[in-house]
Amino acid sequence: GAGVSQSPRYKVAKRGQDVALRCDPISGHVSLFWYQQALGQGPEFLTYFQNEAQLDKSGLPSDRFFAERPEGSVSTLKIQRTQQEDSAVYLCASSPDPNTGELFFGEGSRLTVL
Amino acid sequence: AQRVTQPEKLLSVFKGAPVELKCNYSYSGSPELFWYVQYSRQRLQLLLRHISRESIKGFTADLNKGETSFHLKKPFAQEEDSAMYYCALRGGYGNKLVFGAGTILRVKS
Repeated sequence: GAGVSQSPRYKVAKRGQDVALRCDPISGHVSLFWYQQALGQGPEFLTYFQNEAQLDKSGLPSDRFFAERPEGSVSTLKIQRTQQEDSAVYLCASSPDPNTGELFFGEGSRLTVL
Repeated sequence: AQRVTQPEKLLSVFKGAPVELKCNYSYSGSPELFWYVQYSRQRLQLLLRHISRESIKGFTADLNKGETSFHLKKPFAQEEDSAMYYCALRGGYGNKLVFGAGTILRVKS
């Protein structure tokens, strides 16, 4: 595809359930970022990969959040034992060059925890 | 700590009027500043970056280190400029961007 693809677009989970969100970056992009965007707020950084290496996970809010990119392409953000405060849009972005600051965003995955 | 502040949640102007979207930042080093835009039903995308010193869709932004600001300006607003605008900063360790809360720009006819 031409852009960053995320799935599912919408996810409703009961509190306590585990969820997995997938990101398919633009082919050849070495950098991949996950952001969390709560309603009415700007995107908040979660984690950053360069190829398969997770270089920064300082934004992950708790040990319930886990991200991986095993082959340096597709990435999965997993949230265990979801809580209501996890409800947000999760944005994935990729970049061909980590030094430019130009991120190409996906449409996001909207998670609602009941 | 890195912080970006966009003091206005909503800015409403008439078509043809000048626009200024405010952005202030907090960072002790030399930051890189960006403006990202999200049009209705579209994904977030880069509008411009301060190091490029370019004008995109008539918008410009100047980094003022003394005032720690990076306001986005356009002399004559157009209806198609209506969107959500985010100011973002990159500085220090790593390549992450820190975003402000965003400002909705509404251009009325």
